[in-house]
Amino acid sequence: AQSVTQLDSQVPVFEEAPVELRCNYSSSVSVYLFWYVQYPNQGLQLLLKYLSGSTLVKGINGFEAEFNKSQTSFHLRKPSVHISDTAEYFCAVRFLSGGYNKLIFGAGTRLAVHP
Amino acid sequence: EAGVAQSPRYKIIEKRQSVAFWCNPISGHATLYWYQQILGQGPKLLIQFQNNGVVDDSQLPKDRFSAERLKGVDSTLKIQPAKLEDSAVYLCASGTTLGFTDTQYFGPGTRLTVL
Repeated sequence: AQSVTQLDSQVPVFEEAPVELRCNYSSSVSVYLFWYVQYPNQGLQLLLKYLSGSTLVKGINGFEAEFNKSQTSFHLRKPSVHISDTAEYFCAVRFLSGGYNKLIFGAGTRLAVHP
Repeated sequence: EAGVAQSPRYKIIEKRQSVAFWCNPISGHATLYWYQQILGQGPKLLIQFQNNGVVDDSQLPKDRFSAERLKGVDSTLKIQPAKLEDSAVYLCASGTTLGFTDTQYFGPGTRLTVL
């Protein structure tokens, strides 16, 4: 079965500390991978995406993610977080079967950055 | 470039009442999606359009939900009658194509509370 799992529902971290938000998926077909961020009372904004090529993907706001095919993971990292990074982060997977564009989202990880 | 617009931003109704949400996608975008995001969960696709045709509505509760996309531009999602479990944020997204590499751009959402 195809599924997306975000292993942590909440991640508290102090400002300027590094952070990793974990995402694993289960699939029998190839995938494209995405991370979105949702600030309070706003829609989802694309942080980064992996389609092909280098497994290390850099996105906006200093975030990066690494695709690990053997571990079926796509963890999001930032070396030094800011208060403004406090938000909900969603991992999303597009399973490359069928003929159309369907994203499956994880349940989200709430990142809380403390001073 | 203007983003995806949605209205209203907030709506409170009694159960068994009807409600409608409106979405205006990014100009020129052929695909349009409606997602339901229940508190504490990731967005779940309800329906997707390519121009004014429905591509996938397999997750849409058709006994109470309906959606249309007039002239391949704006879209309306309706719930009639609403149930308590319909309380959620309804997100609209648009994209340029149905291709696997397409990026979906999200609006701010409509927060529905059913009492």
